[in-house]
Amino acid sequence: GESVGLHLPTLSVQEGDNSIINCAYSNSASDYFIWYKQESGKGPQFIIDIRSNMDKRQGQRVTVLLNKTVKHLSLQIAATQPGDSAVYFCAESGAGGSQGNLIFGKGTKLSVKP
Amino acid sequence: DGGITQSPKYLFRKEGQNVTLSCEQNLNHDAMYWYRQDPGQGLRLIYYSQIVNDFQKGDIAEGYSVSREKKESFPLTVTSAQKNPTAFYLCASSQRWGNYEQYFGPGTRLTVT
Repeated sequence: GESVGLHLPTLSVQEGDNSIINCAYSNSASDYFIWYKQESGKGPQFIIDIRSNMDKRQGQRVTVLLNKTVKHLSLQIAATQPGDSAVYFCAESGAGGSQGNLIFGKGTKLSVKP
Repeated sequence: DGGITQSPKYLFRKEGQNVTLSCEQNLNHDAMYWYRQDPGQGLRLIYYSQIVNDFQKGDIAEGYSVSREKKESFPLTVTSAQKNPTAFYLCASSQRWGNYEQYFGPGTRLTVT
């Protein structure tokens, strides 16, 4: 069935280092992927998205990589800052009758050490 | 400022009471969504609306009801039939239904005792 999961539930990095958050998806028919950042007690904030006709997309300090061969998505954060500490969710578009509805993974908590 | 608002931020109710959570957006978005988030979990879809006067059940609709009488408003009622209503509720909207970025509100934390 459809699923979106994460390889690591928690990630701790040193300030200034690069962070990589991974996500696996199981539905090869999904064609839209999105990363959100959620700070404690707040709603998720959009970070970056990517469609299946691309394998890389860059934003400000963030890069999303999509490997359709192994159904893997990653979020890279350059020069991680304390303000990046949050839970990061990947999501994919549903397939079939639920097309257009996002399916969310459980999230990875990123902790930045000063 | 354009955005999506939810009220109240915290809500307390006694078991057996229905409660309605507010969600308003001024982004002129067609689609709106309600999610439930439990501690350490991802978001689960309760209901969604592709366009005004339309709504569909999501993955966990039992014990919930919605209406979409106005484009900018999508209230969620948590009924007494919902067995575990205590959770963080998030409303979102997107320009259109489909593979588009969803914008989230700040959430309402509901506690039922």
